Amino acid sequence: GQNIDQPTEMTATEGAIVQINCTYQTSGFNGLFWYQQHAGEAPTFLSYNVLDGLEEKGRFSSFLSRSKGYSYLLLKELQMKDSASYLCAVINSNYQLIWGAGTKLIIKP
Amino acid sequence: DADVTQTPRNRITKTGKRIMLECSQTKGHDRMYWYRQDPGLGLQLIYYSFDVKDINKGEISDGYSVSRQAQAKFSLSLESAIPNQTALYFCATSDSERGDTGELFFGEGSRLTVL
Repeated sequence: GQNIDQPTEMTATEGAIVQINCTYQTSGFNGLFWYQQHAGEAPTFLSYNVLDGLEEKGRFSSFLSRSKGYSYLLLKELQMKDSASYLCAVINSNYQLIWGAGTKLIIKP
Repeated sequence: DADVTQTPRNRITKTGKRIMLECSQTKGHDRMYWYRQDPGLGLQLIYYSFDVKDINKGEISDGYSVSRQAQAKFSLSLESAIPNQTALYFCATSDSERGDTGELFFGEGSRLTVL
């Protein structure tokens, strides 16, 4: 089968750094997305990785290791507005998008 | 105004009723999708369409049907709603010029409750 594993929930402090991990087992790989979803709202695109390494975009960075089937999303200088769910999704060899259940991130003052 | 608009945003209905969820977009994208989101589960693809004459089943199409009335409109129907179809439904679009790895743009969601 195909699956995406993410922690269900994480808690971090305002101003700190948090790393949200995603491991995947899929039939092939053609890229990995991270989306942010605030409660009751639509998911919005954060990042796309297809090659190994770190992609930095402001306070958010995303890392990929294809050999390990692993990615992480790194959020720096956490703000209260970063409280949301973070969804990992992988494109498999059939170009199907496989979604993880998401990680709910709680930011405390 | 949202680029991808869903109506209704909330709907409560009874078992056996026919329900239609509508989606319209102003992004000019030719690819449109319907997803379902349940607590603790990843988004699940119900149907997708790559242009007006193209309709494809996703992983959980049973009990659902769709219609692509125009490039900008894609509606999802539940012919006879049942309680386990209670969920949050999202319409999404993507740009075919970005290929199969293009990002998705989601509507605001339609929360459906079937009693």
